[in-house]
Amino acid sequence: KAGVTQTPRYLIKTRGQQVTLSCSPISGHRSVSWYQQTPGQGLQFLFEYFSETQRNKGNFPGRFSGRQFSNSRSEMNVSTLELGDSALYLCASSLGAGGPNEQYFGPGTRLTVT
Amino acid sequence: GQQLNQSPQSMFIQEGEDVSMNCTSSSIFNTWLWYKQDPGEGPVLLIALYKAGELTSNGRLTAQFGITRKDSFLNISASIPSDVGIYFCAGYRTGTASKLTFGTGTRLQVTL
Repeated sequence: KAGVTQTPRYLIKTRGQQVTLSCSPISGHRSVSWYQQTPGQGLQFLFEYFSETQRNKGNFPGRFSGRQFSNSRSEMNVSTLELGDSALYLCASSLGAGGPNEQYFGPGTRLTVT
Repeated sequence: GQQLNQSPQSMFIQEGEDVSMNCTSSSIFNTWLWYKQDPGEGPVLLIALYKAGELTSNGRLTAQFGITRKDSFLNISASIPSDVGIYFCAGYRTGTASKLTFGTGTRLQVTL
């Protein structure tokens, strides 16, 4: 089975711009979660989507949003980028239907905001 | 955001030595997961624990779900150079959908 894929792997943007990151989960997984990883804050939960609905949300400003498509692929969008948004953005997929909550991560998208 | 306390923060060990690290929380978790992350990559799931007191092995790795459900432990036996990386614990609490709370990480470096 193919693992979780994320595109692009690297991205450089300028303050004020917006960015869209993509995640394709493991086949059969219906839940996709997004995390932000920075040296200072570690791994922080952004949000989770299950069956095209946002099921849980972390403590991030409204500039961070996401969506999930009917094939379970997910995108996250960050608008009006700030320097502090520079981070590794990870998505993780799981079966999501109330079973064991083992999440499998993609390689991440490294976002640099200049 | 909340992070679980993980210790030690970092450790240098010699190849062949055993390693122990732990993760503690002020809250109860229903599932504990252990991940390893290599530079520039996403975390890779090593072991999942579902019941208090559970002891689970994966090769040279052994993890335990603490009796109080507020802690977990990971042991690596006979370490090898490819064990180098950052190890994270993560906890999941029922009712929080798929939200994982991660530990602060333990950076492991193995010398020959």
